[in-house]
Amino acid sequence: NAGVTQTPKFRILKIGQSMTLQCAQDMNHNYMYWYRQDPGMGLKLIYYSVGAGITDKGEVPNGYNVSRSTTEDFPLRLELAAPSQTSVYFCASSRTQHSTEAFFGQGTRLTVV
Amino acid sequence: GQQVMQIPQYQHVQEGEDFTTYCNSSTTLSNIQWYKQRPGGHPVFLIQLVKSGEVKKQKRLTFQFGEAKKNSSLHITATQTTDVGTYFCAGPPTAGGTSYGKLTFGQGTILTVHP
Repeated sequence: NAGVTQTPKFRILKIGQSMTLQCAQDMNHNYMYWYRQDPGMGLKLIYYSVGAGITDKGEVPNGYNVSRSTTEDFPLRLELAAPSQTSVYFCASSRTQHSTEAFFGQGTRLTVV
Repeated sequence: GQQVMQIPQYQHVQEGEDFTTYCNSSTTLSNIQWYKQRPGGHPVFLIQLVKSGEVKKQKRLTFQFGEAKKNSSLHITATQTTDVGTYFCAGPPTAGGTSYGKLTFGQGTILTVHP
C-alpha cells in the first residue's frame, strides 16, 4: 500500500524559479489537499480538490496553482518562488467529504534562497 | 474566520509522567480530529470525535470532546519515549454545511519525553 506519495522529498530553489511538487494517491480518493507547515505552526490549507477537474482555494493560495486531471494526481505548482514559500508541504487525501481521516504524504521540504 | 488554538505549545515530561494537551475552537465544531507527527515525519490520524461530551480511549491515550463541541483534550497516561512528537487537533473550517474534508489545524503541542 503506497497511500499518498510525494516527490521530491527535498528541494532548494532560487528566488524567482518555478517548480512542481508532485502528489499521487492510490486509494481512489476523490478529495485531495495541499497543506504547508511552518515551524511552530499548524498546517494551513493551500488548495483542495473534490474530484478530477475540480479545484478550489484554501486559506493561503497566493503564489500557488494546482490542477487535477486525474483522480490519482494532484500537483502543486509554485511560480516565481519567494523566501516566504520556504516551508514543508504536505499532500493529503480523504475518502469522503464529511471530514473523515486524512491520509498524508511524507512531505516535501522546500527552501527558497 | 475560525481559529483553533492549542496549549501548551511545548511540554517536557519525564518518562512515566502524564501529559495533556488542550484544544479550543472559536466556533462550534461538527467533529474534531487528532493527529500525531513524529519528528521529521508526517501527520498520522489518531482519532475522530463527533458527539458532544464524547470520550474515547486508545490504550494510554484518552480523548475528550467538550459538551459545547468547542474544545477537546488529549491525555496520555504514563508517557513513553515512543510518545515523542507533535500532537495536533483539527476541525472542519465551517460550523455547518459541507467541509469537503478540509481541516483547520491547531498549532500543535510538541511533546518531549526524557527517559
